[in-house]
Amino acid sequence: EDQVTQSPEALRLQEGESSSLNCSYTVSGLRGLFWYRQDPGKGPEFLFTLYSAGEEKEKERLKATLTKKESFLHITAPKPEDSATYLCAVQTQGGSEKLVFGKGTKLTVNP
Amino acid sequence: DVKVTQSSRYLVKRTGEKVFLECVQDMDHENMFWYRQDPGLGLRLIYFSYDVKMKEKGDIPEGYSVSREKKERFSLILESASTNQTSMYLCASSLGPGRPQHFGDGTRLSIL
Repeated sequence: EDQVTQSPEALRLQEGESSSLNCSYTVSGLRGLFWYRQDPGKGPEFLFTLYSAGEEKEKERLKATLTKKESFLHITAPKPEDSATYLCAVQTQGGSEKLVFGKGTKLTVNP
Repeated sequence: DVKVTQSSRYLVKRTGEKVFLECVQDMDHENMFWYRQDPGLGLRLIYFSYDVKMKEKGDIPEGYSVSREKKERFSLILESASTNQTSMYLCASSLGPGRPQHFGDGTRLSIL
């Protein structure tokens, strides 16, 4: 069964304090790994897609990386507006387009 | 930018009612999805559609049905609402396999 585990469940940082969020996955064959940001009361907002081990994507203070077993979302010098829940999801090869989501990491950045 | 619009942000219904949740996307995407999101359980797929009038069950289809009469519109139907269907419902659309799914802002549904 495909599984996605995110850690930590919650993370508190001071503004400017860099850190990483982890997404471990177990799938029969990876078609793509997706990162989303979700603000309270809103739908998930797409951030990145990663397709193969070694791939990296960057956007402002965020950088996503992928290995064969896990993905990291690195946050460099975060600001309070980066506070949100970050969701990781995988889609498997040959199957439906279903996304299997992790339960998310709730990030709080204090000024 | 892709825009996925869900007709209601908040909805309160009574048990036994038939409930319709509507979703419209403006990017000519082939595929559309309905998820529900619950604390501690994350997002779970209810149904999806890869073409007009085509649908497939997701992980938790019991008590739900869907309708896709036009490419841009995907409706979720609760045939006879029950309290355990109180949840946040999220609609999404995508261009195809391996492409990102883009979500609407959700409908928070309460069944009393």
